[in-house]
Amino acid sequence: DGGITQSPKYLFRKEGQNVTLSCEQNLNHDAMYWYRQDPGQGLRLIYYSQIVNDFQKGDIAEGYSVSREKKESFPLTVTSAQKNPTAFYLCASGDGLIYNEQFFGPGTRLTVL
Amino acid sequence: KQEVTQIPAALSVPEGENLVLNCSFTDSAIYNLQWFRQDPGKGLTSLLLIQSSQREQTSGRLNASLDKSSGRSTLYIAASQPGDSATYLCAVRPRRGSTLGRLYFGRGTQLTVWP
Repeated sequence: DGGITQSPKYLFRKEGQNVTLSCEQNLNHDAMYWYRQDPGQGLRLIYYSQIVNDFQKGDIAEGYSVSREKKESFPLTVTSAQKNPTAFYLCASGDGLIYNEQFFGPGTRLTVL
Repeated sequence: KQEVTQIPAALSVPEGENLVLNCSFTDSAIYNLQWFRQDPGKGLTSLLLIQSSQREQTSGRLNASLDKSSGRSTLYIAASQPGDSATYLCAVRPRRGSTLGRLYFGRGTQLTVWP
């Protein structure tokens, strides 16, 4: 089955702790994205990567970090510097062509204890 | 910066009704517009993608139209069913800006179809 997987589905973080959210795709897509979703708000872009070993900040990158060492993987680390990390995190991918669809994973819900 | 607005924020209808969800965007310089469905606690499922050169796209009971010059899109759902209950999101892919392929999202319309 082709698609995007995210793990874990639920994640709990203590104050001051860094956590890493996993995103894997087997669609052979070049571009990958991380969005954050808060209740009653639209999705906001955190980071994106158009190609392996390259990534750029989105609208709300402060307190987050990413890596793109493999085409199929784009993990997101939520650091202790992120003041309000409780949210639903969605990973997406696309083939980089501007005319084509973007596909989303099932999401990870992060809660700060 | 592109702003996307969806009206209404919530909609509750009886089964069988035809309904229209609205999406507006501030900058008409877009490559395309995509409609998504999101069930509670789940990711987004792509429903329809309309290129800027197209006026509409259809998939089953869904029909999406695009009027790029006025910055509007509508999603028409025919003969609604309880299984259509979900949040519907629209997103545009702008021509302007440095992030290739990024989407700008509206806040969604939460649809409830009751039997």
